[in-house]
Amino acid sequence: SAVISQKPSRDICQRGTSLTIQCQVDSQVTMMFWYRQQPGQSLTLIATANQGSEATYESGFVIDKFPISRPNLTFSTLTVSNLSPEDSSIYLCSVGQGPPSPYEQYFGPGTRLTVT
Amino acid sequence: AQTVTQSQPEMSVQEAETVTLSCTYDTSESNYYLFWYKQPPSRQMILVIRQEAYKQQNATENRFSVNFQKAAKSFSLKISDSQLGDTAMYFCAFMKQTSGTYKYIFGTGTRLKVLA
Repeated sequence: SAVISQKPSRDICQRGTSLTIQCQVDSQVTMMFWYRQQPGQSLTLIATANQGSEATYESGFVIDKFPISRPNLTFSTLTVSNLSPEDSSIYLCSVGQGPPSPYEQYFGPGTRLTVT
Repeated sequence: AQTVTQSQPEMSVQEAETVTLSCTYDTSESNYYLFWYKQPPSRQMILVIRQEAYKQQNATENRFSVNFQKAAKSFSLKISDSQLGDTAMYFCAFMKQTSGTYKYIFGTGTRLKVLA
């Protein structure tokens, strides 16, 4: 399985600012995903990061609030913009190989964001 | 729309005993994948086991096995010889294919505590 790192591992930000989270994989992967996990809750998919094109966002998530970049097959960033306390969550990057494949996803260690 | 339900928010088991975590899902698709993930307190999501819907044989990975009942849309996880390191949140996930890509839908999770 791929080795995935995320930076930063945690951060405390003031409301109104932005935080950019980096996700780095040690091998080329087809699929990269960004999730949000609110405290004690399940994982919610924010978007699929597409290499060389705009990300595909899930219902309830918009590009202005969560801009995503994916310049190559090993790296992606998620920015959480105009922060509010409701954005306090863990943000997880995951990777997988596209079809046909076992469709397994492997997750990074997560970034814990606290907005004050 | 696909949904994934984990009806047991919390469970506990004595070390060396066996425990079963339940998961049900709703879908009209015939070909899909199901997964169990483990999230220890360190929060790193770890793939435990995978089941392809077209396979009748239940998947097994060492002490972990599933009971896949396709007609009943049930996908339970059995942990045998429970160990203290099995203490974690366990998430059931359904893989949905969409327009040449795929995404996961996660259940709400079951918090498992293994008691010494």
